Formats: sequence, C-alpha cells, structure tokens
Amino acid sequence: EVQLVESGGGLVQPGGSLRLSCAASGFTFSSYWMNWVRQAPGKGLEWVANIKQDGSATHCVDSLKGRFTISRDNAKNSLYLQMSSLRAEDTAVYYCARRGWNYYDGMDVWGQGTTVTVSS
Amino acid sequence: DIQMTQSPSSLSASVGDRVTITCRASQGINNYLAWYQQKPGKVPKLLIYAASTLQPGVPSRFGGSGSGTDFTLTISTLLPEDVATYYCQKYSSAPWTFGQGTKVEIK
Repeated sequence: EVQLVESGGGLVQPGGSLRLSCAASGFTFSSYWMNWVRQAPGKGLEWVANIKQDGSATHCVDSLKGRFTISRDNAKNSLYLQMSSLRAEDTAVYYCARRGWNYYDGMDVWGQGTTVTVSS
Repeated sequence: DIQMTQSPSSLSASVGDRVTITCRASQGINNYLAWYQQKPGKVPKLLIYAASTLQPGVPSRFGGSGSGTDFTLTISTLLPEDVATYYCQKYSSAPWTFGQGTKVEIK
C-alpha cells in the first residue's frame, strides 16, 4: 500500500525549532518529487516547499525561506522539514505529499498530517 | 509570484444541481493546474490535474476545463458526498500556490 506517515509535530515555544519527518512506503520514494503543505486551523491549504527526487533542487515559499528547510534521505525513504524560529502563525497541520510520476501530475498521495502548535 | 484567485468563496446548491467553481491565475500557467477536494476533517484529495485530466478513481461527474489563466471545476450533478472545500493549485513553477478555497454546501 502506498503510504506517507508524518511525525514530529507537537507543542513548541515561540522561537523554538522542530523537525518533521515523513516516512514513505509502498512506492519507490527516490523517483518522486516530494512536498510539504500546511493548513492553519480553520484556514486554507498553503504549499510550503518541495524537493527533487535526488535532493539536488529545493523550493520554498518566500515567506518561510531562512526558517524552513526541506530535505530527504532516499536510503531511509524519508522526507524532512526543519523548522526554526517558530512563530504562532506557524501553528498548523503539516502534510507531506507526493507529486505524481509525470511532470504534469498533481500531488496524488498525502499523509494524514502532523500537528504543530507554537505557543508559550 | 503568480496569484491564484478562486470564486466563489462559498456556495450552496441543491442535490442534482450543476456546480461551477472558477480559478484565475494572475499569469499564464500552461495548464499546470490541479483541483483538490477536502472533506471536513479529512486529508486533501487530488481530483484533477493538468487542468482537465481526471485522477483515476474520481467520479466522472467531476470535470475540469480551461487554459492559460482561467480554469473551471464543474460538478455535473451535485451529490451529498460532495460537500467539501475545493482548492485549485498551480504548479507550473515554485511557489505552487493554492487558491483560497471554495466551500460547497447542500441547500
């Protein structure tokens, strides 16, 4: 079964750091672009970042550059999001999502999400 | 950055109605446009990619059209299980911006 499972969320104080993980199974992880998408409580979806199959290219939304870093370990079938200098507005459910095989594909597989709460 | 504007932000329609949601990009995006459905409390689900290609397993009452900057998601016959928020997303280049969402309810 194709599956993505996020972990690493939790309660963190403003200014703190957190690393989210996404474990992939059921498909050849190293063959796909991977993404992070977040959703603040009661709000819409916000694309955060993505990373190429071999990790040689990454993109991040401008507002998060310098604080959030996406990475992957293909040997461990894992995707990561390192978050630092966290703010209350970073409180959200964070999803990892796979881009489909072809360049025209959308994000066809999503994890269940992990919740990050930034609060003192 | 290219902005994505969805309309309406919400709608209420009767079972059996035809429903249309519009998404406009501030610049051309070469049909790198996807539609997602998110039911309350659930994970988003890909419905359509490349503006008009139905994701396998998605009911045929869902359809996408458009090109360049103007795109449409159509539900040909609204069913109760279609109650959800629908998002467009462009992925021609980073950032892969989402529209603000359209909440669909049953009248």
